[in-house]
Amino acid sequence: GNSVTQMEGPVTLSEEAFLTINCTYTATGYPSLFWYVQYPGEGLQLLLKATKADDKGSNKGFEATYRKETTSFHLEKGSVQVSDSAVYFCALSDSGGGADGLTFGKGTHLIIQP
Amino acid sequence: KAGVTQTPRYLIKTRGQQVTLSCSPISGHRSVSWYQQTPGQGLQFLFEYFSETQRNKGNFPGRFSGRQFSNSRSEMNVSTLELGDSALYLCASSSLGTSGRNEQFFGPGTRLTVL
Repeated sequence: GNSVTQMEGPVTLSEEAFLTINCTYTATGYPSLFWYVQYPGEGLQLLLKATKADDKGSNKGFEATYRKETTSFHLEKGSVQVSDSAVYFCALSDSGGGADGLTFGKGTHLIIQP
Repeated sequence: KAGVTQTPRYLIKTRGQQVTLSCSPISGHRSVSWYQQTPGQGLQFLFEYFSETQRNKGNFPGRFSGRQFSNSRSEMNVSTLELGDSALYLCASSSLGTSGRNEQFFGPGTRLTVL
C-alpha cells in the first residue's frame, strides 16, 4: 500500500534559518504529492503540490520538487519566520483515478524562535 | 467564497453513545472526504462521498458511517463510541470526484472527546 515517511520533530530553528523537512513516499502508481500546513486550532491548508516527476511546487517562499528516482518530496524554505511555526504534513494521492483519499505522513512540528 | 464548515466544533460524549458530525463543503464542490486525526495514528482516511455515493472507505470498523445529501452536505456517524474514538475529525471538499490531482480544502474540524 501507499505510505509517507517524514521527520516528526519537533524541529526548532532560529528566525531566518534555512529549512528542510524530508519526505519520502512509497506508492504503487504515479501519485500526486502535497504539503499541507496546520496552524494551532485550525484545519489543514494546502501549501503546495506537484502532480508529476520533476515538477516543483512553490508557495509563500516554500518549495518542493517531485523526485521520482529517490521517491522524495522534501520541503525547503530559504529564510523562515516566526509565523511559519506550525505542523507540516507531507501527503500523496494515488493518481490512478480512484477516490482513495490522501495518505499522510505523521507531521513535522516546526518551531521558529525569534 | 465561504470555506468548508463543520459543526459542531467541539463535542463531548460518553462511551456507548453515538454521535453525528456535519460538514458543508465549498459551494459547487461535489466531493466530500472525512479524516480522523489522532496523536498516535496521525491523519487517516475514513471515506469519500461524491454525488451522494460513497466512493471509497478507509480501514475503519462499521461503527463509522456517513452519507451525503443532494446539496453535497455530508454527515458522518459513529455508533457505540469507544475511548479510542476521541480525535479531531476533519472534512475536506474538492470540486471533482477523484482526490488524485485535485486540491482538497479542509474545514477546521470537530474535536470529539469520549469519556
